[in-house]
Amino acid sequence: DIVMTQSPDSLAVSLGERATINCKSSQSVFYSSNNKNYLAWYQQKPRQPPKLLFYWASTRESGVPDRFSGSGSGTDFTLTISSLQAEDVAVYYCQQYYSTPYTFGQGTKLEIK
Amino acid sequence: EVQLLESGGGLVQPGGSLRLSCAASGFSFGSYVMSWVRQAPGKGLEWVSAISGSGGSTYYADSVKGRFTISRDNSKNTLYLQMNSLRAEDTAVYYCAKEKNMIVAVMDVWGQGTTVTVSS
Repeated sequence: DIVMTQSPDSLAVSLGERATINCKSSQSVFYSSNNKNYLAWYQQKPRQPPKLLFYWASTRESGVPDRFSGSGSGTDFTLTISSLQAEDVAVYYCQQYYSTPYTFGQGTKLEIK
Repeated sequence: EVQLLESGGGLVQPGGSLRLSCAASGFSFGSYVMSWVRQAPGKGLEWVSAISGSGGSTYYADSVKGRFTISRDNSKNTLYLQMNSLRAEDTAVYYCAKEKNMIVAVMDVWGQGTTVTVSS
């Protein structure tokens, strides 16, 4: 199984500041045949189901604000919020869909400092 | 509007069985891979199972393989999860989720979840 490890486990950032969440996979999730990274990011707010933010590591889902960005390739990925807003308080998860089982990272809890 | 509505959760004793349902609306149900994802209390997300649009292919996490069965009835726009030999560690909120168009296991629509509690 591919193990997904996120860092940090929790993060407190001031409003308007940058937040960075990292995700590392135990093996590459890059398919050279189509030049794509099989990595998605989700946001989960309290008492809500997860919401898709990015797929193919950096393709923003429709409706996701452009202050959010996804980057990385191979085994190392990053979710960045350029200017934190109060509504961004949530737990963020990365997920690989390169192979079954489709594993998630343990989550990173983002709070306001 | 695309919607998923889970039902069937509840309290069950260890070793018991439960069948979850997920009613879908607002999209061509039979054209999409569907998944179940669970979240134990205070914990992260765990992918449980997925099924192809036709129902001909199924996939399971090792933790549930041999105990859970995913199925679908495309005539009823409904996804199912039959859970047998339940254990305390199966206690979780179970979400059904729809595949993003042709991107298997990227889930763009989620239900609100149904809670399963396994306890004596």
